[in-house]
Amino acid sequence: EDQVTQSPEALRLQEGESSSLNCSYTVSGLRGLFWYRQDPGKGPEFLFTLYSAGEEKEKERLKATLTKKESFLHITAPKPEDSATYLCAVGRTSYDKVIFGPGTSLSVIP
Amino acid sequence: GAGVSQSPSNKVTEKGKDVELRCDPISGHTALYWYRQRLGQGLEFLIYFQGNSAPDKSGLPSDRFSAERTGESVSTLTIQRTQQEDSAVYLCASSSGPGREQYFGPGTRLTVT
Repeated sequence: EDQVTQSPEALRLQEGESSSLNCSYTVSGLRGLFWYRQDPGKGPEFLFTLYSAGEEKEKERLKATLTKKESFLHITAPKPEDSATYLCAVGRTSYDKVIFGPGTSLSVIP
Repeated sequence: GAGVSQSPSNKVTEKGKDVELRCDPISGHTALYWYRQRLGQGLEFLIYFQGNSAPDKSGLPSDRFSAERTGESVSTLTIQRTQQEDSAVYLCASSSGPGREQYFGPGTRLTVT
């Protein structure tokens, strides 16, 4: 069965303390892996799409990487405004629905 | 261009009443999703429309929930005989095709009293 898991469930960092979030997936055919950011009371905001193993995407302090089994979202020198829930999702080569992971709640403390 | 819009932004209803939530997807997007998100919880898939294919209704929690989509445009999610456990934020998202990144609306916050 296709599934997506994320770890850790919650992460608390000091401002400037770099770390990584993990997204592990099992799918029959990967079309794309997506990262989203969700702030409280808002809909998720699309960040990145990764299509193949070895691909990397960057945006400000965020860098997403992809292997055949997992993706990492690296956060370099985070700031308090990076606090949010980060969701990953996979799109499949079938016409089936995209599957979301449960998310990682990130708190960056000044 | 315009993003995904949802209406109303907030809805308070009495237990037992029916409610209708609306989603306007990004123009040209063939795929449309509805999700439910309870306070402090993750996204719960409800239903997926892709073009003219039969919708994937596998996430609808009961027969009180239904959704329609007219072609590749507006979608409505209807909840009949609302219960307090239906209180949540209902999110709509659209994408340019199957398996592609989704763009979310701001959500409708439903409160059942």
